[in-house]
Amino acid sequence: QKEVEQDPGPLSVPEGAIVSLNCTYSNSAFQYFMWYRQYSRKGPELLMYTYSSGNKEDGRFTAQVDKSSKYISLFIRDSQPSDSATYLCAMNSNTGNQFYFGTGTSLTVIP
Amino acid sequence: DTAVSQTPKYLVTQMGNDKSIKCEQNLGHDTMYWYKQDSKKFLKIMFSYNNKELIINETVPNRFSPKSPDKAHLNLHINSLELGDSAVYFCASSQSSWEKLFFGSGTQLSVL
Repeated sequence: QKEVEQDPGPLSVPEGAIVSLNCTYSNSAFQYFMWYRQYSRKGPELLMYTYSSGNKEDGRFTAQVDKSSKYISLFIRDSQPSDSATYLCAMNSNTGNQFYFGTGTSLTVIP
Repeated sequence: DTAVSQTPKYLVTQMGNDKSIKCEQNLGHDTMYWYKQDSKKFLKIMFSYNNKELIINETVPNRFSPKSPDKAHLNLHINSLELGDSAVYFCASSQSSWEKLFFGSGTQLSVL
């Protein structure tokens, strides 16, 4: 079983829709959770960083962590064509020496 | 001012050649990484250095050799390039192995 599972999509939504991106994981020691956005031919860009369970909001983006279910989500409100990218989740524990990545979800927001 | 910079951005070369990719970070981070991203966008860790010391050395052919002259630099040298080495290689850095990870813009390696 992979450490982190993420639906690769592709996901296609109309402009203005609410987008939900998700990852599940198997290691209960994970405490640090990140979401990255990667545009075509660019490096991954850190969007959200959260510690332990709970929600974190930044503008149109909300990151949610449910450690009891080993499930994390990224919500994008009022999605824009500029949100079209691949979204990667990543996570780690404070005893681990590397980040564990999902396979990425490709999102297209149609004008 | 770019936080993690890597050069070159594109590298096209023939099979059997030796090439290097350079990486520098100006964030003052202690830990640097090399990742390989395949065509399906999966990021696979190759190496990790903490303050010039090798921490992670994943199952990577020994044709790949990282070198960290100081904690702000981590270079990747590849000997005897093969077709299967074609991918995008990302350098990254973080303050510690669980803190925010910042990526460079990538090096697209094409082996012909």
